[in-house]
Amino acid sequence: GQQVMQIPQYQHVQEGEDFTTYCNSSTTLSNIQWYKQRPGGHPVFLIQLVKSGEVKKQKRLTFQFGEAKKNSSLHITATQTTDVGTYFCAGYGDYKLSFGAGTTVTVRA
Amino acid sequence: DGGITQSPKYLFRKEGQNVTLSCEQNLNHDAMYWYRQDPGQGLRLIYYSQIVNDFQKGDIAEGYSVSREKKESFPLTVTSAQKNPTAFYLCASSAGQYSSYTFGSGTRLTVV
Repeated sequence: GQQVMQIPQYQHVQEGEDFTTYCNSSTTLSNIQWYKQRPGGHPVFLIQLVKSGEVKKQKRLTFQFGEAKKNSSLHITATQTTDVGTYFCAGYGDYKLSFGAGTTVTVRA
Repeated sequence: DGGITQSPKYLFRKEGQNVTLSCEQNLNHDAMYWYRQDPGQGLRLIYYSQIVNDFQKGDIAEGYSVSREKKESFPLTVTSAQKNPTAFYLCASSAGQYSSYTFGSGTRLTVV
């Protein structure tokens, strides 16, 4: 079955620094979705990418879908304490989303 | 406002007892899902339903059961056969293929 892998599992970032988390699929994806789960909370949908090579921005967050539609990345610029949480990527297979294991982000003030 | 409601937020049960977690949505979504999340872990799919009166096993269905008698409701029963039931349980819904998921706020189940 489809597998979605995320790296790194943990990301410790100094406030103000940039970082990137990566998502890779074993199969071609029809779309890729990203979710954020704050500590103690539930996953919340952030964005969906559909087209090969697509790039979308949400303020300091930049999402990219690979040309082969098998990988994606999330880049956060000038990390803030509000960015803490776990970021999940997910791709559709067999009529349901397959979630990556997530990247848990902590921020040092 | 439309949304998905899980209750209760916290649940404590004695070992050997069955317990049912509630999930209700008023988003008119066809598909509903149950996930389990352990500390520091990702989301593992327990059961999902794409339409009323139909559901399928996910990756870790053993020890769990569900029903989908109404479009709005997808309750999950954690049975005594589930060997390690203490976890955070998340319910989600979606409008269908390629749609995003809306998650409930979750139920933290502790079995003692």
